[in-house]
Amino acid sequence: AQSVTQLGSHVSVSEGALVLLRCNYSSSVPPYLFWYVQYPNQGLQLLLKYTTGATLVKGINGFEAEFKKSETSFHLTKPSAHMSDAAEYFCAVSPPGGTSYGKLTFGQGTILTVHP
Amino acid sequence: NAGVTQTPKFQVLKTGQSMTLQCAQDMNHNSMYWYRQDPGMGLRLIYYSASEGTTDKGEVPNGYNVSRLNKREFSLRLESAAPSQTSVYFCASSARSLETQYFGPGTRLLVL
Repeated sequence: AQSVTQLGSHVSVSEGALVLLRCNYSSSVPPYLFWYVQYPNQGLQLLLKYTTGATLVKGINGFEAEFKKSETSFHLTKPSAHMSDAAEYFCAVSPPGGTSYGKLTFGQGTILTVHP
Repeated sequence: NAGVTQTPKFQVLKTGQSMTLQCAQDMNHNSMYWYRQDPGMGLRLIYYSASEGTTDKGEVPNGYNVSRLNKREFSLRLESAAPSQTSVYFCASSARSLETQYFGPGTRLLVL
């Protein structure tokens, strides 16, 4: 069975500071990895995903994430936070095959607050 | 192009009542999903439909049933609501399994 752990349910940064949201996964095989963002009272939207190939993945709104197999991690970063980045962020994994193919397992979420 | 739509947006039920949450997508996607979101627990998959005519259980299917009415529509039914089913319910769709999932705006359900 696979699982996802997001370290820190709340992260607070100043505008212009580095954003780092941590995600570690547990899976018997290297999974496919996703980051979603949820703005207040809205559904989720995809920020970026890793399936195969280059381990550094760039997404929308200046976010990027790096798949590190040896550390079973997929941390999300953004060099300079903007007020509009305030939202809840979810890491998710899916096995690349088998009977659970396509089923996403989500982490518990990290609420990002950006201070002026 | 509306994407994924869900009705109703908000519902209050009494314990034991039944209701159906409706979901429709206009993107010609094959796969559709139902999740529930509870504080501190992220989203958990209730049921999904990989393609029209097929449905499969997710992580938390107990107390729910689904119907893939056609390619566009995927409904979630609570036969006898319980307070533990108070949650925000999201429907999502994707072109195929593992493609990007697009989410609806959610339905907030309160069971008293």
